[in-house]
Amino acid sequence: GAGVSQSPSNKVTEKGKDVELRCDPISGHTALYWYRQRLGQGLEFLIYFQGNSAPDKSGLPSDRFSAERTGESVSTLTIQRTQQEDSAVYLCASSLASRGQQETQYFGPGTRLLVL
Amino acid sequence: SQQGEEDPQALSIQEGENATMNCSYKTSINNLQWYRQNSGRGLVHLILIRSNEREKHSGRLRVTLDTSKKSSSLLITASRAADTASYFCAPRGGGGNKLTFGTGTQLKVEL
Repeated sequence: GAGVSQSPSNKVTEKGKDVELRCDPISGHTALYWYRQRLGQGLEFLIYFQGNSAPDKSGLPSDRFSAERTGESVSTLTIQRTQQEDSAVYLCASSLASRGQQETQYFGPGTRLLVL
Repeated sequence: SQQGEEDPQALSIQEGENATMNCSYKTSINNLQWYRQNSGRGLVHLILIRSNEREKHSGRLRVTLDTSKKSSSLLITASRAADTASYFCAPRGGGGNKLTFGTGTQLKVEL
């Protein structure tokens, strides 16, 4: 497709269950980012993948959060033992290789996660 | 990276009027980007202004940057109902690739 796609668009789960969120970046984009946006708040960085380099995991809030990316394609964000505080919109973005921070990040529509 | 602070938090105008929103940041930057978010289309990149630029235009958008005051403004001229959205600034500098947004300016354009 032409843009970043994410699935599912909405996810309702019970506290304690695991969830897996998927992101398909724009073809050819070597950089992929996961962000979280809680209701009424700004964007919170979670993790960044760039090519074959080790991912920047500095934004992951706890060890319940993990993410993988296969090559330069699909990425999955997994949240284990979900808590109500995990409820948020999870946004994925991709970009061409970083050019001195001047690259444009293209965002997907997000996955709205609700933990009951 | 650093977080920009957008002001005002909310802005309501009539269609056809101009909308101005501001962004302040704390440390030196390489560039500053503005993004828009509405419920239908998610986050969309609007415009990038480099640290050595003072003003930039893109269609109905005009962005200014004052590095001495560590501030930027986004002007939307002749606003339309479709401009209703949240607007975020992202100051980029100091290494790192992540974007950090504040709570944004919620713009409502009424018919």
